[in-house]
Amino acid sequence: NAGVTQTPKFQVLKTGQSMTLQCAQDMNHEYMSWYRQDPGMGLRLIHYSVGAGITDQGEVPNGYNVSRSTTEDFPLRLLSAAPSQTSVYFCAIEKGDTQYFGPGTRLTVL
Amino acid sequence: ILNVEQSPQSLHVQEGDSTNFTCSFPSSNFYALHWYRWETAKSPEALFVMTLNGDEKKKGRISATLNTKEGYSYLYIKGSQPEDSATYLCALYGGSQGNLIFGKGTKLSVKP
Repeated sequence: NAGVTQTPKFQVLKTGQSMTLQCAQDMNHEYMSWYRQDPGMGLRLIHYSVGAGITDQGEVPNGYNVSRSTTEDFPLRLLSAAPSQTSVYFCAIEKGDTQYFGPGTRLTVL
Repeated sequence: ILNVEQSPQSLHVQEGDSTNFTCSFPSSNFYALHWYRWETAKSPEALFVMTLNGDEKKKGRISATLNTKEGYSYLYIKGSQPEDSATYLCALYGGSQGNLIFGKGTKLSVKP
C-alpha cells in the first residue's frame, strides 16, 4: 500500500454520530486524497490535498470535512453520519504518475 | 464532467480463456489513463499508466493498448487464471481538478 495506513478497518455508527477516519503516510508525499467506493459506482473522489495546509473538494464532498495540518496525516471527518455514507473509504497518495491506495475503511451507518 | 465508461460490467470466463475489456473516454485534452486491478477486500493495485497514443504495456499475461484519438483503451488477459478474478478499473487523469476520474469497472470471474 505504498506506506499508506488507514484506521479503523471497520466501523459501525448510528445516524447522527460523528467520527474521524484516519489516513497516514510516512513517505512525504504531497498529494493525498479520499475516495468512497459504492456498488455500481466505482471510486468517487471526496476531498484531496496537494500539500500541508491545502485542501479542496472532489466530486462528492457533502457531509465530509478534511484538514491537512501535516504532510503525514489527512483525516476525513463525518460530521453527522447518515445511512447514505455507508461505504468503503480509501485514502490514496500520489507517487509519480500513479495513485496508491490504503487498505480501506468499511463504514456502516445504521 | 468527464465520463469514463467501461464495458462489459461483468465477465465470466473459463480458466485458460483469453479475454479483453474496454475503457472509453473523451479524446479531447487527454493526459493519462490508468488501469487498476482490484481484488475483493483489498485495495486497488496499479497496473499501467498510459500516456501516448498507440502505447502498449504488458505485465505478465496482462497487456493494455491506448488510442487517444478515438478515446479508448483495451485491457487483455491471455490464458485467464482463477487468480485473475478481480474488478479492473480504468481512470482518466483529468477533470477540472486534475484528478483521477474512475470508470465503474469490469468485474472478471475466472472459473477453474
